[in-house]
Amino acid sequence: DGGITQSPKYLFRKEGQNVTLSCEQNLNHDAMYWYRQDPGQGLRLIYYSQIVNDFQKGDIAEGYSVSREKKESFPLTVTSAQKNPTAFYLCASSAIFGASTDTQYFGPGTRLTVL
Amino acid sequence: KQEVTQIPAALSVPEGENLVLNCSFTDSAIYNLQWFRQDPGKGLTSLLLIQSSQREQTSGRLNASLDKSSGRSTLYIAASQPGDSATYLCAVTNDYKLSFGAGTTVTVRA
Repeated sequence: DGGITQSPKYLFRKEGQNVTLSCEQNLNHDAMYWYRQDPGQGLRLIYYSQIVNDFQKGDIAEGYSVSREKKESFPLTVTSAQKNPTAFYLCASSAIFGASTDTQYFGPGTRLTVL
Repeated sequence: KQEVTQIPAALSVPEGENLVLNCSFTDSAIYNLQWFRQDPGKGLTSLLLIQSSQREQTSGRLNASLDKSSGRSTLYIAASQPGDSATYLCAVTNDYKLSFGAGTTVTVRA
């Protein structure tokens, strides 16, 4: 079955702690994305990667970091610099970055809560 | 900056009624517009994608229209069923990035 997996489903972070959210895809997609979803708001783009070994900041990158060492993996680290990290985090991928005919496929999400 | 608005924020209808969900956007220079479905605590599933040159797309009971000049899209769901209960999000692509609305949460009462 092709798709996107995210782990863990639930994550709890203590103050001052860095945590890493996993995202893996077996769709052979070039582009991958990380979004944050807060109640009553639309998804906001944190980081995106067009190809392996390349990534760019999205609209709300402060306090987050990513890497793209393998085509199928795009982990997101939430650092202690992120002041309000409690949210639902969604990873997505698309075959080609920016194609008008291309949709993004989403993972099931990780809910991060700060204790 | 692109702003995407969805009204209403929530909608409750009896089973069998047709659903009409609205989406508006401020920058008409879009590559495409997409409608997604999100079940509680889950990821998003793409329903329909309308390219900027198209006026509408249909899939089964779903029909989406696009009026770029007025910055509007409408998603119609015919003969609603309890299984249609979910949050529906609209998203537009500008400069290769998606901008999302906050969604309309739909409840279909049996």
